[in-house]
Amino acid sequence: QQNVQQSPESLIVPEGARTSLNCTFSDSASQYFWWYRQHSGKAPKALMSIFSNGEKEEGRFTIHLNKASLHFSLHIRDSQPSDSALYLCAVGGGSALGRLHFGAGTQLIVIP
Amino acid sequence: DMKVTQMPRYLIKRMGENVLLECGQDMSHETMYWYRQDPGLGLQLIYISYDVDSNSEGDIPKGYRVSRKKREHFSLILDSAKTNQTSVYFCASSLSGGNYAEQFFGPGTRLTVL
Repeated sequence: QQNVQQSPESLIVPEGARTSLNCTFSDSASQYFWWYRQHSGKAPKALMSIFSNGEKEEGRFTIHLNKASLHFSLHIRDSQPSDSALYLCAVGGGSALGRLHFGAGTQLIVIP
Repeated sequence: DMKVTQMPRYLIKRMGENVLLECGQDMSHETMYWYRQDPGLGLQLIYISYDVDSNSEGDIPKGYRVSRKKREHFSLILDSAKTNQTSVYFCASSLSGGNYAEQFFGPGTRLTVL
């Protein structure tokens, strides 16, 4: 059974800071790695995904994946108050056919 | 406009009553999901549906059942609701059951069981 853990549970940063969110997983056969963002009272929405080892950048957001370490991360450059949200990592593939396992989330607050 | 809809958005029921949560999508997605979200627990998968009448249990199916008779509609049923089923329920859909496909979420239903 896949075990997905996120750290930290919560994070408060000033506007303009670089923010790093972490996710670890337990199934080494996992193949698909996602970050979802959920603003307060809203639906989760896919932010970024990565399917192979390495790094992927989209605007201010970068994902790093290290399958050997069972770890991936999300980095936010120049954090904005609008980035304040619950960030959920999700892992799929391996033994989990057609489904994602979600972490409990990191609550990010960006102070203006 | 690609959309997942959920009805109702808010619901208060008494313990022992039956509950019907409905979900619709207009994207002709094959795969649909029901999750519940509780503080500190993230999204927990209740059921996954790969297509009409092709449903599988997720991690926490006990106390729930589902129905999918049309590709665009997926229902979650609670027979004799319990207080520990108080939660926010999200429906989602994806183009296929592959984990590479983005899941699109509905706005959620906040259920309170008294």
